[in-house]
Amino acid sequence: GAGVSQTPSNKVTEKGKYVELRCDPISGHTALYWYRQSLGQGPEFLIYFQGTGAADDSGLPNDRFFAVRPEGSVSTLKIQRTERGDSAVYLCASSLTAYTEAFFGQGTRLTVV
Amino acid sequence: AQSVTQLDSQVPVFEEAPVELRCNYSSSVSVYLFWYVQYPNQGLQLLLKYLSGSTLVKSINGFEAEFNKSQTSFHLRKPSVHISDTAEYFCAVWSRGRDDKIIFGKGTRLHILP
Repeated sequence: GAGVSQTPSNKVTEKGKYVELRCDPISGHTALYWYRQSLGQGPEFLIYFQGTGAADDSGLPNDRFFAVRPEGSVSTLKIQRTERGDSAVYLCASSLTAYTEAFFGQGTRLTVV
Repeated sequence: AQSVTQLDSQVPVFEEAPVELRCNYSSSVSVYLFWYVQYPNQGLQLLLKYLSGSTLVKSINGFEAEFNKSQTSFHLRKPSVHISDTAEYFCAVWSRGRDDKIIFGKGTRLHILP
């Protein structure tokens, strides 16, 4: 596609449920990033993929969060046992390679009630 | 570790007046620097970037930023703002060879007064 696509755009879930957020990067981009943006804050780094492997997952807040990119293209961010504090906009970005311009998707707004 | 400080959370400015949004970074290695803009209800868009070469970089809509290594700053300026510049502006840093991720500041909300 022309840009980074994230689905769904909005997700409301109950506390304790499992959610999956999908990111479809720009075709040919090898690097993929997940960020989380809470209200009034800047994007907070979660995880970075180079190809299929997670090159840096130091930003994942705890073991309830996990992300995969099995074929080096689409990525899924998975959150288990959601908590109200997980409510935020989850942003995905991709770049051609590391250290080149990162393009962001529109984000998925996750609300845990 | 690298970090980014945006000193002002909100900047009100009258239309057609000049504006400066301040950004300071902390990194022990050479860096790439970025300004991203987020218009209301839209995603993050790259406004301008410094990778190497000239320390003064410009965007197509009149913004410019200057990389100052000695002051570790990358302030964003525009000589005359327009109502359409109302947005949140994020400064970001990427340390070459150290971290494989962009670190963002907390953002500055630019509020244009009529």
